[in-house]
Parts: sequence; C-alpha cells; structure tokens
Amino acid sequence: ILNVEQSPQSLHVQEGDSTNFTCSFPSSNFYALHWYRWETAKSPEALFVMTLNGDEKKKGRISATLNTKEGYSYLYIKGSQPEDSATYLCAQPRTGGSTLGRLYFGRGTQLTVWP
Amino acid sequence: DVKVTQSSRYLVKRTGEKVFLECVQDMDHENMFWYRQDPGLGLRLIYFSYDVKMKEKGDIPEGYSVSREKKERFSLILESASTNQTSMYLCASSLTNYGYTFGSGTRLTVV
Repeated sequence: ILNVEQSPQSLHVQEGDSTNFTCSFPSSNFYALHWYRWETAKSPEALFVMTLNGDEKKKGRISATLNTKEGYSYLYIKGSQPEDSATYLCAQPRTGGSTLGRLYFGRGTQLTVWP
Repeated sequence: DVKVTQSSRYLVKRTGEKVFLECVQDMDHENMFWYRQDPGLGLRLIYFSYDVKMKEKGDIPEGYSVSREKKERFSLILESASTNQTSMYLCASSLTNYGYTFGSGTRLTVV
C-alpha cells in the first residue's frame, strides 16, 4: 500500500483569494503523480499527470508543481472562484506487478470558495 | 467523448437484498475499478480487474464480489446488502500507466 497524504483536509477561502494545498507521497520508486478535481454530483476529472522532478503544469488558473526527491506536490489556484469549489484528489500508481494500473489516492482536500 | 457509465445514480435497497451495480466503458480499457467514497475516508478500493474474467481484491473486499465477463463491463455485487454498505460507489477504467476515467457514481442507501 502506498501512503499518499493530503493537507489540509478542508479549506474555505473568499472569491479572489489564491490558495494552495499539498500532496505528500513516498519518494522512493516514484513513477507518476496524478491530480483530480471532483465537483459535487459530477465525475472526478483528471487535472494533471506529473512524472518529472521539477515538473510544473498549468490549466487556466490552476497549476501544480512536483518534487519527487522530497515526495510532495503542490496544487495552486490563483484568484479562486466559486466554481473552483470541489474536492481535489492526488494519487500515485504503484510501480511493477499486476497492480500496475492501480492508483493509490489521498483523502482529498475539500475546497469551498465563498462569493 | 470517452465514457464510463454507471447504471444508476441513486439506489435504495433493503437489508439482505442482493444488489448489482453495473459499469460500462467504451474506451477498450483493460483495467476497471470499483471504489467507495465515505466522508473523511477518501476513495477506498473494493475490487479491480485488469482483464476479462480476472479480478483482484482491493483494500475492502469483504461483503462484495465482482464479475467481468466482457471487457467493457464490470459489475459490483453486494451479496447481502447491509446498512454499513450505504455509500457512494465509483467505477473507473484505465489503460495501464495512464490515469483513470471515472463514472458519475451511484449513491446507494441500504435501509
């Protein structure tokens, strides 16, 4: 079992605020790190797949960075909007073996953006 | 557009009933997964399958079984539903080494 941890568990911000949260994972045998956004009543949606140390990905106002040596990834949201309210999940695959396709998820950070 | 379809959005069943949750994907993915999501516990893997007729237990398989007779369909079976199986159930599929595509979830209530 891979231990993927996310913090904080929940976050409340005002519209326009920028925010960030953390995903921590084992740094040994790193393969990839996935970020998903899960809005209420919808399917979780893939945001980023990150594979290289120092990787930085961006999608609109959302960006993510990756540090594989120390085992963490940050997700940043610039100028939060109410539609950014969702649970943000990170996940890591296990390398090798028959469980190669399986992702190990953190418990998520639930973001609420107040207008 | 690629799709994972779960047969029901909401389901209410009685304790002791046999419950079938169906999941169909149209992307020719080899891997399929069933998770449940409960407040404060995150996504917990029940079962997964990496090929037709193949299955592996996840972290919480007790009280569940699965069936994968065709590549596109992965069924989760609650043999005798209990109230502690009230939860949101999510199906997902993937190609190995790629991320998941999720279904929209089934909220199951066992009364």
